[in-house]
Amino acid sequence: DIQMTQSPSSLSASVGDRVSITCRASQIISSHLNWYQQKPGKAPKLLIYAASSLQSGVPSRFSGSGFGTDFTLTISSLQPEDFATYYCQQSYITPITFGQGTRLDIK
Amino acid sequence: QVQLVESGGGVVQPGGSLRLSCAASGFTFSSYGMLWVRQAPGKGLEWVAFISYDGSHKYYADSVKGRFTISRDNSQNTLFLQMNSLRPEDTAVFYCAKDAVSKVTTAYYMDVWGKGTTVTVSS
Repeated sequence: DIQMTQSPSSLSASVGDRVSITCRASQIISSHLNWYQQKPGKAPKLLIYAASSLQSGVPSRFSGSGFGTDFTLTISSLQPEDFATYYCQQSYITPITFGQGTRLDIK
Repeated sequence: QVQLVESGGGVVQPGGSLRLSCAASGFTFSSYGMLWVRQAPGKGLEWVAFISYDGSHKYYADSVKGRFTISRDNSQNTLFLQMNSLRPEDTAVFYCAKDAVSKVTTAYYMDVWGKGTTVTVSS
């Protein structure tokens, strides 16, 4: 199985900050990497697919990059509604696997 | 609008069975693969199962293989998850999700999620 490792596991930041979350795959997955946002008690929401494509309706302050094994989700200027948990997910091969999550808190 | 609504969760004893359903609307259900993803209390997301748009391909996580069965009824726009031999570690919120890519036999990424249904396995 492909292991997905996110860092950091938690992060404190302020409104307006630029933050980045990284995701590393245990083997090459090309660009088959997706990012989700989840708020407490809610279903996950797709943000980025195929490593760098912005899902329709998602604000442009979210961006994704990377290829192969190393990927990054960047939020250019944090807004109050962005404080949530973020998950990466590989779709290169089944079993589909998720990272353990990165919790983004208000500093 | 595009919507997925899960049902069928509840409290069941270890070794018991439950059947989850997911009613889809607002899109051509028969064109898209569907998935179940679960989340144990306070934990991360875990993929459970995938079924292709036509039901011809099914994949399972090792943790549920042989106990859970995914199926679909395209005439009724409904996805199912039959769960047998349930264990306490199956306690979770179960989400159904729609694959974003149509007419393929493997899973890509999930662009629509239901609100989830809670399964509790406890004596």
